Amino acid sequence: QQPVQSPQAVILREGEDAVINCSSSKALYSVHWYRQKHGEAPVFLMILLKGGEQKGHDKISASFNEKKQQSSLYLTASQLSYSGTYFCGTVYNQGGKLIFGQGTELSVKP
Amino acid sequence: DTEVTQTPKHLVMGMTNKKSLKCEQHMGHRAMYWYKQKAKKPPELMFVYSYEKLSINESVPSRFSPECPNSSLLNLHLHALQPEDSALYLCASSPGPLWKLFFGSGTQLSVL
Repeated sequence: QQPVQSPQAVILREGEDAVINCSSSKALYSVHWYRQKHGEAPVFLMILLKGGEQKGHDKISASFNEKKQQSSLYLTASQLSYSGTYFCGTVYNQGGKLIFGQGTELSVKP
Repeated sequence: DTEVTQTPKHLVMGMTNKKSLKCEQHMGHRAMYWYKQKAKKPPELMFVYSYEKLSINESVPSRFSPECPNSSLLNLHLHALQPEDSALYLCASSPGPLWKLFFGSGTQLSVL
């Protein structure tokens, strides 16, 4: 079952912050986050396992709320290089498969 | 070497042709994947190989035939494709199933 991402698109000015949400109607085992720039392959950002942990990657961090079955990706002080489509991927059980959400298109303007 | 290499980068084929896509990694990863991606859509899982054995086949039509000759190589054999099969085909690998995925740059396939 495909996770639902919101918003579908967001436009930022350099230095602004953004939050992208990924929600599931089923209990999650783990959540992956990837970024794909136009014409390029998806690039891994981070994995979160159930347990409500928060991980960081430079100025990009993420959390996993097990009660809400939701993960959020936080981008702070955005840079032009953050532009791209962000996909969350959800896994429902150990040994299951990774299913990507529909993506959030992020544009950072000067 | 932290790359997944896919060849060719672009492929145009007719509906009666037979062609193959190739994927190679030398990171010692034991899981390899084929994904299909249409424009402005997320990657869709097609096949997963785990320790050189096919572990997941997402009900993909038989005109797509995967092959994993060894732990470093993954092929996707194409035969009698339809125009709607035109898409970006991405290969990925991971140290084990469901770990961080490393994607190749993909093969842009056009079926005429």
